[in-house]
Amino acid sequence: EPEVTQTPSHQVTQMGQEVILRCVPISNHLYFYWYRQILGQKVEFLVSFYNNEISEKSEIFDDQFSVERPDGSNFTLKIRSTKLEDSAMYFCASSGPSRLAASYEQYFGPGTRLTVT
Amino acid sequence: AQSVTQPDIHITVSEGASLELRCNYSYGATPYLFWYVQSPGQGLQLLLKYFSGDTLVQGIKGFEAEFKRSQSSFNLRKPSVHWSDAAEYFCAVGGGFKTIFGAGTRLFVKA
Repeated sequence: EPEVTQTPSHQVTQMGQEVILRCVPISNHLYFYWYRQILGQKVEFLVSFYNNEISEKSEIFDDQFSVERPDGSNFTLKIRSTKLEDSAMYFCASSGPSRLAASYEQYFGPGTRLTVT
Repeated sequence: AQSVTQPDIHITVSEGASLELRCNYSYGATPYLFWYVQSPGQGLQLLLKYFSGDTLVQGIKGFEAEFKRSQSSFNLRKPSVHWSDAAEYFCAVGGGFKTIFGAGTRLFVKA
């Protein structure tokens, strides 16, 4: 069964550094998402992406965050200058292959644990 | 506003006992409902989902959930809990290109 993959599984970085989290969505999906889960808290929506544009973003997704689909398979989340409070599990998700199918369900990756020291 | 409420922060049950985890949602359109389980430090595993049709849905690991529109609820049940079920359980609602998660219920299983 196709699945969403994420790399790395764990990333440690120093405060102020830039990090890029990578995701490979399910190959025929059209909609892509990032979510964040701070330790011990619930999973929160960050951003959705379709047709090379951000469709929706939450208030968490400020100017330090950006997303990109640099090629036909990868979907990335960049944090420009990490802060201690960015430490969290980041989940990528995808949905599709049609708008109707996408509206039903998102498929989540295993997550990348980001630790900012 | 769209929201999911899981009233119980944590629940403790004895191994072999039955389990019910509560979930209430607020959603303007037809909700698509999900239950996920998460072990510490791990990702999200989908237990079951409801889109339409039969309001009692069966999932993996012996879990089931019942959708009650009149109560805006989607409670998760299991007739006999195993020690390996100890984890965090998240109820979620989708259907609008965004999944909204509840705060989670941590399940403890005692021998």
